[in-house]
Amino acid sequence: GQNIDQPTEMTATEGAIVQINCTYQTSGFNGLFWYQQHAGEAPTFLSYNVLDGLEEKGRFSSFLSRSKGYSYLLLKELQMKDSASYLCAVTRNSGNTPLVFGKGTRLSVIA
Amino acid sequence: EPEVTQTPSHQVTQMGQEVILRCVPISNHLYFYWYRQILGQKVEFLVSFYNNEISEKSEIFDDQFSVERPDGSNFTLKIRSTKLEDSAMYFCASRGWTGWDETQYFGPGTRLLVL
Repeated sequence: GQNIDQPTEMTATEGAIVQINCTYQTSGFNGLFWYQQHAGEAPTFLSYNVLDGLEEKGRFSSFLSRSKGYSYLLLKELQMKDSASYLCAVTRNSGNTPLVFGKGTRLSVIA
Repeated sequence: EPEVTQTPSHQVTQMGQEVILRCVPISNHLYFYWYRQILGQKVEFLVSFYNNEISEKSEIFDDQFSVERPDGSNFTLKIRSTKLEDSAMYFCASRGWTGWDETQYFGPGTRLLVL
């Protein structure tokens, strides 16, 4: 089975740093994705972690610990346009594997 | 930059009618997917497709659903007899083959409303 948990909502201030956590229990885990989704739009790819450690990409970084079943997405220098849902998704180690999504974390950036 | 496209952007249909949702994946991609998202809920996997056949399907993808790649570019999802609970946003996604990178790129979606 698969279980993915992330907070439902978070609020942060413009210019600040926010960390969105995701824990997962997935048999045959392969890798973890973070997607951003604005209301009414498609998920857009942010990051992909398959090895332990931190991947940095501009204002966004993502961390993975395979042994702990844990990931986080770190957003720095928050901007109003970062207000969106952030979706944690995992893949299994089985060929053409689909993404299994968590429920998403709705982030509100306030002035 | 190449992107996945979907048509139509919106579709309204009567319960029991057939609908076909169309997708054009990124041109050199090999793996194709359909997902759906009911309003306010999480994105759910429906079906994956590779080498002209279904690789995997979820419990949602019952006999009312079918997929086809009728030519070298289009990838379609057909719902034979729509139900009210099929109302959702339907996303097509595709990925290429670059070793370990499994990144899937999503189309803008088709919003389906069944009345």
